[in-house]
Amino acid sequence: GQNIDQPTEMTATEGAIVQINCTYQTSGFNGLFWYQQHAGEAPTFLSYNVLDGLEEKGRFSSFLSRSKGYSYLLLKELQMKDSASYLCAVRDSSGGYNKLIFGAGTRLAVHP
Amino acid sequence: DTAVSQTPKYLVTQMGNDKSIKCEQNLGHDTMYWYKQDSKKFLKIMFSYNNKELIINETVPNRFSPKSPDKAHLNLHINSLELGDSAVYFCASRDGGLSSYNSPLHFGNGTRLTVT
Repeated sequence: GQNIDQPTEMTATEGAIVQINCTYQTSGFNGLFWYQQHAGEAPTFLSYNVLDGLEEKGRFSSFLSRSKGYSYLLLKELQMKDSASYLCAVRDSSGGYNKLIFGAGTRLAVHP
Repeated sequence: DTAVSQTPKYLVTQMGNDKSIKCEQNLGHDTMYWYKQDSKKFLKIMFSYNNKELIINETVPNRFSPKSPDKAHLNLHINSLELGDSAVYFCASRDGGLSSYNSPLHFGNGTRLTVT
């Protein structure tokens, strides 16, 4: 089966750095995505990892370790607008086709 | 604007009614999806279509029937609505066939369905 775990809530201070972890179990791993979702809005794509290592995109970086079934999203220089839910999603191909399976999301609150 | 657009944004209806949600994308994508986000914020895939052909049906009750008249549209019809159907329904699209591993989903703004 498939399982994706991430913390339910996190808080951080404006200007700080926060790391959101995600662990997953899947039999047909084919890439990991991070999405941002503000309350009442659609999820928007942040990053993609399929190989081990760090992918950097401005203030956001994402890391993947396939052997450990582990990823994290690193947010630097936090801004108030970064308050949102962050969804870890694994592309799974075990059913003979690719489908994206989402975790429940981590709600991040950034305080002044 | 290039986007995934779905209507209506809000839908309030009574148990037993039948309702439809429409979705259109002008991104030229091959693949479209319906996802359901429940009160615990889990996004679960319901259906996927590739070039008008149903590819994924995730054990959704047959009261839910998707229809794709062309590859830019994927509508969702729900019969005999139940209280448990209350959720936010997101349409999404993606570039490339289902074997394309790195193209992200582009989501519509969601339809908040409330069944009373």
